[in-house]
Amino acid sequence: GQNIDQPTEMTATEGAIVQINCTYQTSGFNGLFWYQQHAGEAPTFLSYNVLDGLEEKGRFSSFLSRSKGYSYLLLKELQMKDSASYLCAVRDRGGGFKTIFGAGTRLFVKA
Amino acid sequence: DAGVTQSPTHLIKTRGQQVTLRCSPKSGHDTVSWYQQALGQGPQFIFQYYEEEERQRGNFPDRFSGHQFPNYSSELNVNALLLGDSALYLCASSSGLFNTGELFFGEGSRLTVL
Repeated sequence: GQNIDQPTEMTATEGAIVQINCTYQTSGFNGLFWYQQHAGEAPTFLSYNVLDGLEEKGRFSSFLSRSKGYSYLLLKELQMKDSASYLCAVRDRGGGFKTIFGAGTRLFVKA
Repeated sequence: DAGVTQSPTHLIKTRGQQVTLRCSPKSGHDTVSWYQQALGQGPQFIFQYYEEEERQRGNFPDRFSGHQFPNYSSELNVNALLLGDSALYLCASSSGLFNTGELFFGEGSRLTVL
């Protein structure tokens, strides 16, 4: 089976940096995704890691350690529009690829 | 380039009824996955369709069934609705069963069961 854990809620200040952690357990790991979901909207893709290390994309970075079953999403220069849920998702291999999501971390950005 | 489209966007049903939700994948995509997202939760994997067959299934009862058509569009059927089936149902498309890219989501169908 699969298990993905991430904090339920986080609060940060506009302009600051926030790190959202995710730990996972899966038997057929084949990549880790981060998605952003604003309230009432569909999830949208942010980042993808399949090898260990840091992937940077503008204000967003994502890190993966496969040996530790650990990832984090780093958001820099926070803006009010970054208030959203951030979903950690693992692609599991087995008869085809399927993507399993964590419960999501709701981020509140305050002025 | 049309993205993933779902219909209806909202619907209300009563317990015991049946519902059908529809999804058209993004142009060029042939694999459709369905997810159930309860309020405040992450999307839960229901099943995945490829080449008109159910390829993988999550931990959902047989009341949840689906279909994929030759044009890659898909339907999700839920029978004998329960109050707990109230959720946002998301369709996600990708290219190929062993797709290495991200999922593209539709806006979802919000089902309320009274």
